[in-house]
Amino acid sequence: DQQVKQNSPSLSVQEGRISILNCDYTNSMFDYFLWYKKYPAEGPTFLISISSIKDKNEDGRFTVFLNKSAKHLSLHIVPSQPGDSAVYFCAASGRTNAGKSTFGDGTTLTVKP
Amino acid sequence: KAGVTQTPRYLIKTRGQQVTLSCSPISGHRSVSWYQQTPGQGLQFLFEYFSETQRNKGNFPGRFSGRQFSNSRSEMNVSTLELGDSALYLCASRGALAGTDTQYFGPGTRLTVL
Repeated sequence: DQQVKQNSPSLSVQEGRISILNCDYTNSMFDYFLWYKKYPAEGPTFLISISSIKDKNEDGRFTVFLNKSAKHLSLHIVPSQPGDSAVYFCAASGRTNAGKSTFGDGTTLTVKP
Repeated sequence: KAGVTQTPRYLIKTRGQQVTLSCSPISGHRSVSWYQQTPGQGLQFLFEYFSETQRNKGNFPGRFSGRQFSNSRSEMNVSTLELGDSALYLCASRGALAGTDTQYFGPGTRLTVL
């Protein structure tokens, strides 16, 4: 049973447009969520996080939205740039258990110039 | 601050052998977690160590083990290697006791089992 799901394996957008990556989770004990970006042959790089007491968190071009009732979160990248092309992973953990994160399978984002 | 470092970066072993991977966390970080990533898969949690004690364990067989030293450096050992153990092994460190500290990942060790 996959507790964190990223249903879109890939996404392609034009440079300058918005990229929206989605993530669903099933475990109601999750209350801390993160997005990571990963290039080939490198480890994941932390992008942005959100705790369950918020429904939105922004950091520059990146915004994460959390809908707890739907157990859904999304990452918005505006505007998208070719350097954003990478695999994006959604991860979730319990508030007191951030060392044990459950990851989705990733979405490959391609931003076309 | 230096990031998380992992050695070696690449490793080739044959079935039945054992392997030890090493991870040095960010200075001051006391928690080290290990993950396995296989092709097309997300990251699967192996275990977490904090102050030399295993805090959490994922659903992996006993062939996978780890330890943490007093300087927070961690090692992961896989015994009796199987072809399916070929993967990217990632370690991540985080700071204090606060549960929501962010994990920071190393570059990984690419293990190939022939």
